[in-house]
Amino acid sequence: GEDVEQSLFLSVREGDSSVINCTYTDSSSTYLYWYKQEPGAGLQLLTYIFSNMDMKQDQRLTVLLNKKDKHLSLRIADTQTGDSAIYFCAETDNAGNMLTFGGGTRLMVKP
Amino acid sequence: SAVISQKPSRDICQRGTSLTIQCQVDSQVTMMFWYRQQPGQSLTLIATANQGSEATYESGFVIDKFPISRPNLTFSTLTVSNMSPEDSSIYLCSVRRDADTQYFGPGTRLTVL
Repeated sequence: GEDVEQSLFLSVREGDSSVINCTYTDSSSTYLYWYKQEPGAGLQLLTYIFSNMDMKQDQRLTVLLNKKDKHLSLRIADTQTGDSAIYFCAETDNAGNMLTFGGGTRLMVKP
Repeated sequence: SAVISQKPSRDICQRGTSLTIQCQVDSQVTMMFWYRQQPGQSLTLIATANQGSEATYESGFVIDKFPISRPNLTFSTLTVSNMSPEDSSIYLCSVRRDADTQYFGPGTRLTVL
């Protein structure tokens, strides 16, 4: 079955760049997503990338996809304290429906 | 994006009782999903709520424990039946709006004593 893995924790200083990494196993995934979850809140869709792309940029966010290595990353430029949250990567099944989530990476931004 | 609301936002329940969680979307959607997030864990899909037919459950989840209704294209309910402390989780509904996006509701935080 599908498996999505992330590192548990990342700590950066305010103003630095953050890079959160994710590996997945299902090569038939159509889309890959990044969600943000702040304490006590639901999931906010940050960005997503279609599987035939290798990069997508959206303001401070850059998503890189290495399909050969099944590796996805999220780079946050000029990280702010408000970026402190848990970040989940997720992939869809080949019908584009069910999401399989990674375990989440807790990002801590130090002032 | 999609505006999704859930009720209740949180509840504390006694074991053996049942709780029904409601999910309302601001426009019609074909696909609605229910997820569970256990404390400190990631999200796991419980079932896909289909309008006009029975829900499709993932491995490890059964209809008797988590009955789901989907009476129309903007609304769904998930019931957590005969609760035990192990059911304490955040329950989230999500919708597939376009071919490429899934949005989540704010979640219902359930504590079972």
